[in-house]
Amino acid sequence: QKEVEQDPGPLSVPEGAIVSLNCTYSNSAFQYFMWYRQYSRKGPELLMYTYSSGNKEDGRFTAQVDKSSKYISLFIRDSQPSDSATYLCAMHLTGANSKLTFGKGITLSVRP
Amino acid sequence: GAVVSQHPSRVICKSGTSVKIECRSLDFQATTMFWYRQFPKKSLMLMATSNEGSKATYEQGVEKDKFLINHASLTLSTLTVTSAHPEDSSFYICSAPALAMETQYFGPGTRLLVL
Repeated sequence: QKEVEQDPGPLSVPEGAIVSLNCTYSNSAFQYFMWYRQYSRKGPELLMYTYSSGNKEDGRFTAQVDKSSKYISLFIRDSQPSDSATYLCAMHLTGANSKLTFGKGITLSVRP
Repeated sequence: GAVVSQHPSRVICKSGTSVKIECRSLDFQATTMFWYRQFPKKSLMLMATSNEGSKATYEQGVEKDKFLINHASLTLSTLTVTSAHPEDSSFYICSAPALAMETQYFGPGTRLLVL
């Protein structure tokens, strides 16, 4: 079993839809959880990060962490064509200097 | 958020030459930086951890003599691909942790094409 599993995709939704992206993990020692967005031929861009169970909201984005179930989600409300990108979940153990463990990424396409 | 830059953004070189890629943290200091390689439609593969003032730590299967890493200062790490071959063609990305935020910021990436 891989340490981090991410829904494989690809995912295509109409503009305005609510998007749910999910990752599960097996290592209960993971403490910090991140979502990155990566456009084609660009470096990953940090969208959200959190370290506690619960929800964290930033504009149209909500990150959800459930440590008891080892499950994290990213919700995108009112999705826009500009949200079309690859989304990567990532997590690490003890602090920013520790290695990130990534999900495989899911490619989202938002149709106008 | 914190900004990480990379230079060059793309490079084309002949087989057998060496290529240096720079990674800079622009508004914060980073004692550690990470170097990744990414193939098309794949996730990021960690190559090595760059440590300021000491040797880099390489992941299993990554040739340290092939991919030379130097962390010259608290804001600069360099990756040199030595004697590059076409199979080294890839997208190379660095990241730097922002300690205050317990997360990592990525550079824009460098696309290397070896002919």
